[in-house]
Amino acid sequence: KNEVEQSPQNLTAQEGEFITINCSYSVGISALHWLQQHPGGGIVSLFMLSSGKKKHGRLIATINIQEKHSSLHITASHPRDSAVYICAVRSFAGDKIIFGKGTRLHILP
Amino acid sequence: EPEVTQTPSHQVTQMGQEVILRCVPISNHLYFYWYRQILGQKVEFLVSFYNNEISEKSEIFDDQFSVERPDGSNFTLKIRSTKLEDSAMYFCASSVGGELFFGEGSRLTVL
Repeated sequence: KNEVEQSPQNLTAQEGEFITINCSYSVGISALHWLQQHPGGGIVSLFMLSSGKKKHGRLIATINIQEKHSSLHITASHPRDSAVYICAVRSFAGDKIIFGKGTRLHILP
Repeated sequence: EPEVTQTPSHQVTQMGQEVILRCVPISNHLYFYWYRQILGQKVEFLVSFYNNEISEKSEIFDDQFSVERPDGSNFTLKIRSTKLEDSAMYFCASSVGGELFFGEGSRLTVL
């Protein structure tokens, strides 16, 4: 069983729709990261969370430590949001970061 | 804005050859990482480096791999004798306060 599970694996939506990507993990963590990987392969960090909620522009990330669950929301989605979104957790015991398989998001104009 | 830079962007090598991938982390960062992503698969942790030594490594990071910070700015990943299965995108990242900053990656193709 993967230590970090993301759902859905793939998501296609129309421009303007509200998007939710979920992440569940099974290990003790010190922080959770949401990352964006563009078609060219580059990875950009969107959020680092250890509790609560963070917002940046149209992106919102939440985490529930007790339930070991995090969500990434995109409001008013746009075709330029099309990318792979990756949830990654930093294990509590050290520096190791465990990645989810990613959610491939495609926003149609 | 400061960024992590990686070279080369793409390297093609023959099986059994040594490869060195280079990274210049952001200058005030203290933690450095190498990750790899085999085509179509998830990103995998290889190694973390702090205070001039390895702080953690994964099962993938066997004796064929080594890391070095030779001159206080560069951070290198060496693969001593490449295998076909080493073909992947290798990402360097540096960190301060837990935030991760990734380089654009080095694509390694082993023939």
